[in-house]
Amino acid sequence: GAVVSQHPSRVICKSGTSVKIECRSLDFQATTMFWYRQFPKQSLMLMATSNEGSKATYEQGVEKDKFLINHASLTLSTLTVTSAHPEDSSFYICSALARPSSDEQFFGPGTRLTVL
Amino acid sequence: AQSVTQLGSHVSVSEGALVLLRCNYSSSVPPYLFWYVQYPNQGLQLLLKYTTGATLVKGINGFEAEFKKSETSFHLTKPSAHMSDAAEYFCAVSDDPLTGGGNKLTFGTGTQLKVEL
Repeated sequence: GAVVSQHPSRVICKSGTSVKIECRSLDFQATTMFWYRQFPKQSLMLMATSNEGSKATYEQGVEKDKFLINHASLTLSTLTVTSAHPEDSSFYICSALARPSSDEQFFGPGTRLTVL
Repeated sequence: AQSVTQLGSHVSVSEGALVLLRCNYSSSVPPYLFWYVQYPNQGLQLLLKYTTGATLVKGINGFEAEFKKSETSFHLTKPSAHMSDAAEYFCAVSDDPLTGGGNKLTFGTGTQLKVEL
């Protein structure tokens, strides 16, 4: 089946620094990728939808200047958490839509971000 | 607005016993319902989905789920648990049958399934 990877799997950073998380579709092209956030004991919450070659669409309440998304190629989307603070500590998960060959959303394994 | 409630954050069963993971949804439009499984250090994997038609949906690994509109439920079952079924399970709802399709998935909080010998 289709595989989506994320890098890094976990990252610890100091408050005020920026962190970049990569999401790659390994064996298919993804015109659309999604970024989710999951707090402990809570459900995955969609942050934004990323379309290759265009600006991301952010969900209500998500700061686009804080969570920068770039989908520069059909196999790579990046999420940059700028000026990270402890409240940004969370589990970030991406998924990719393998259209037109498939309508299924394939998920990455997630990235654990801890901001000190 | 849509929402999903998964009753029981942790469920423990004996190997060979029935698995029942509960999911109730709320949706103002006909829902499309999904179950995903997540094994440790892996991404979510689609188990099964209900879009239209037959309300009993069969998925991978022997799992099935039944859409009951009157009960707004989509419980996941497996007749006989196996050790390899130990994982976290997420129920999700969408107003689009295509998982993603420009419309977001709304997830439940997940249920951790433990299978004991």
